[in-house]
Amino acid sequence: GAVVSQHPSWVICKSGTSVKIECRSLDFQATTMFWYRQFPKQSLMLMATSNEGSKATYEQGVEKDKFLINHASLTLSTLTVTSAHPEDSSFYICSAKLAGGGEQYFGPGTRLTVT
Amino acid sequence: QKEVEQDPGPLSVPEGAIVSLNCTYSNSAFQYFMWYRQYSRKGPELLMYTYSSGNKEDGRFTAQVDKSSKYISLFIRDSQPSDSATYLCAMRRSNAGNMLTFGGGTRLMVKP
Repeated sequence: GAVVSQHPSWVICKSGTSVKIECRSLDFQATTMFWYRQFPKQSLMLMATSNEGSKATYEQGVEKDKFLINHASLTLSTLTVTSAHPEDSSFYICSAKLAGGGEQYFGPGTRLTVT
Repeated sequence: QKEVEQDPGPLSVPEGAIVSLNCTYSNSAFQYFMWYRQYSRKGPELLMYTYSSGNKEDGRFTAQVDKSSKYISLFIRDSQPSDSATYLCAMRRSNAGNMLTFGGGTRLMVKP
């Protein structure tokens, strides 16, 4: 149980284009989902917290107009990287928290390469 | 100073060894403690979840929390090459919503 999927697992896009990443909780409902980015050999950096049906809360230094987050249902959150640039290339990981529970379960991550 | 400190390693051990991974933290408000395992280019996998001080065992894994020393540990018995990964500690304050604070991760290599 507590499986989180992400799609796509790997995407290459050209500079200036937008990319959408999906995060799904497959066998549970997640009132809260989180988006992280991770650079090579570094730990996870929280970008934003997403609650179903409300606006996401972004961490300091994260541009909300660049990283659009939508949490339209209890099982799906999306992250759209708008006007992507090479410096946005990173590993993006989502996690989902069980409703009423404390644990976060992570997705397998999406590797974004912007050329 | 980071809120959560973790030796980055790499830590190299022979197969079958007992592995000890540790984190220290500075904020006494942390009450929930987790260990995640992350293989290269994969998402973190929750290994252990503990609340407050004490020990928790699950198979070859034992998590210890010493809140008085602000120190948590993960022990791996009979380590296997498949345990080679990066291990991340994470913790959460009880009244801070859901946000996790991560350590930087320790890279473990178990050699056959």
